[in-house]
Amino acid sequence: GENVEQHPSTLSVQEGDSAVIKCTYSDSASNYFPWYKQELGKGPQLIIDIRSNVGEKKDQRIAVTLNKTAKHFSLHITETQPEDSAVYFCAANGTALIFGKGTTLSVSS
Amino acid sequence: ETGVTQTPRHLVMGMTNKKSLKCEQHLGHNAMYWYKQSAKKPLELMFVYSLEERVENNSVPSRFSPECPNSSHLFLHLHTLQPEDSALYLCASSQDSGGPTQYFGPGTRLLVL
Repeated sequence: GENVEQHPSTLSVQEGDSAVIKCTYSDSASNYFPWYKQELGKGPQLIIDIRSNVGEKKDQRIAVTLNKTAKHFSLHITETQPEDSAVYFCAANGTALIFGKGTTLSVSS
Repeated sequence: ETGVTQTPRHLVMGMTNKKSLKCEQHLGHNAMYWYKQSAKKPLELMFVYSLEERVENNSVPSRFSPECPNSSHLFLHLHTLQPEDSALYLCASSQDSGGPTQYFGPGTRLLVL
């Protein structure tokens, strides 16, 4: 069935470092890949998304890359700050939006 | 804020109680969703409504009963729940059921004793 694998499950970085979270998906028909950030006590918030006709998208310190051939997509956060600490989820569309299990990012100052 | 609100934010109930969760979206969307979020698991889609009609039910136990009276409001009626139903219940909306971009509410943290 449709599946999205996300790695790592936890990630600890120093403030100012970069963080990379990777996801793979199984449905070759998927063409939309959003990333959500969930802070404690809040619902997931969309931070960036990419469609299959684009290989990379940037928004300030956040970027997402997509390799459709390998069915991989990644979230890159540069110059991390303590407020980036949260759980990040990737997702891919299929018959429904399929989510990864999440990555807990901790940024220490 | 995403334009999706949920009440209550926290709920404690016994296994014999009946309660309801409420979701309201102010985005003019046509599709609404209920998800269950448990620790260490991916978000689990429970129900999808499009233009007030249920289009998907992912084999959810009958002790969960959704209701969508109009495109802006969504309810989840709960009765005779089990302790394993304790979780964060998230509501989301999108322009259409094909979405694909979904916007989430803050969730209701449910504890079943």
